[in-house]
Order: sequence, then structure tokens, then C-alpha cells
Amino acid sequence: DAGITQSPRHKVTETGTPVTLRCHQTENHRYMYWYRQDPGHGLRLIHYSYGVKDTDKGEVSDGYSVSRSKTEDFLLTLESATSSQTSVYFCAINLQGPAYEQYFGPGTRLTVT
Amino acid sequence: QQQVKQSPQSLIVQKGGISIINCAYENTAFDYFPWYQQFPGKGPALLIAIRPDVSEKKEGRFTISFNKSAKQFSLHIMDSQPGDSATYFCAASSSGGSYIPTFGRGTSLIVHP
Repeated sequence: DAGITQSPRHKVTETGTPVTLRCHQTENHRYMYWYRQDPGHGLRLIHYSYGVKDTDKGEVSDGYSVSRSKTEDFLLTLESATSSQTSVYFCAINLQGPAYEQYFGPGTRLTVT
Repeated sequence: QQQVKQSPQSLIVQKGGISIINCAYENTAFDYFPWYQQFPGKGPALLIAIRPDVSEKKEGRFTISFNKSAKQFSLHIMDSQPGDSATYFCAASSSGGSYIPTFGRGTSLIVHP
């Protein structure tokens, strides 16, 4: 267990409201990632971070922002949630350096009504 | 552009049979090819991985076959068991770039008892 927790685990929110998902790791890994998982699309990268305050966009970053003010926390914010953002969101870290495997958190199921 | 193409999308196998999942990639800079296993309600977890300097890697009942010239790799599950029923994702990444893995879209495997 690489010590990743995600909160909340489940959330239902209304269209237009802001939502923040939290990823917390306990082992000081440099690289952290946010993915969304949807049927037929697999895992798609939203944003990633390669250090405190160092972040970059992934392939589906529109409508999402991230922040990383501490090594252990990586926050994903939906500024104004839309129904198309209903998904399961996974946080991940890289083990043993950037070219090695990713370790995923338990996921957050978000429903936007 | 889908850089890693995975097939089939779903697979049904009888207990004791062989499950085969295939992936093809386009970027010749990829040099790390992991497979992830995901059970319902859980995050993906690394199952087995290979680098292009070998053509095959075996761990228990799971084997990766790698064909560098064809830019293809596959996962073979020997003596498939009902407990292997899960979604499997192939991925590819490059140590010379941003290290961000590109995932296939996943294969849902059901092993009937």
C-alpha cells in the first residue's frame, strides 16, 4: 500500500456548483496524477504534478484545475460542474521514479445532476 | 489520436482456458509496457510489466509477449480462474519524454466457472 487516500469517496452535486477532490499521499512521491475513468474511454489524464506548485495539463483538462501546495496533497477542482464530468476520478503516484509503474488511489465517484 | 490500441473490448473465457488481450502502439519512443488489473470498485493495480529488451516475461499464470518490430504486446492468462474476472488495461510510457503513461481503453474479462 503506497498510502494514497482520496476524499470524498462518493459525491453527488448539482450542475454549476464547484467541487474539489482531494488526493493525499503519505510517502513523499514527487509525481502525482489525476485521471477520469469512463466506460469505453479507459483512463484519461486530466492533470499531473511533478512537484510542489509544478503542474501541467493532460488530455482532458478543460473544466478542471489543480493545485499542489504541499508534496502530500494534490487537489482537483471542477470550477463549475457539468453533467459530462460525472465520472470516477482516480489519483495516482509514480513509484520508484517517473518511468516506473503508477499506484492508484481507491477513486472518487462523482455524480453531477 | 489513440496511441495505444487495445483489443478485445470484452472477453469471456471458461475456467481453465487461456485469456489473451492484445495491444498495439505507435510511438517508437515507448520503452515501458505495464499491464494493470482493476476489480470493480477499486483502482487499477500493476499486474506485470515489460521493457523492450526482452520478448517475454512470465509471472505465475500471467505472461507478457512483446514484439518490438510489430509494435505489439499481449497479455496471456493461463489456466484462467473466476477470480481473474476484472478489467485489464495495457499502457506504454517513455523514459525519454514526460513519462506520462498512455493507457489502452481496457478489456473486461469474465471467466466462467
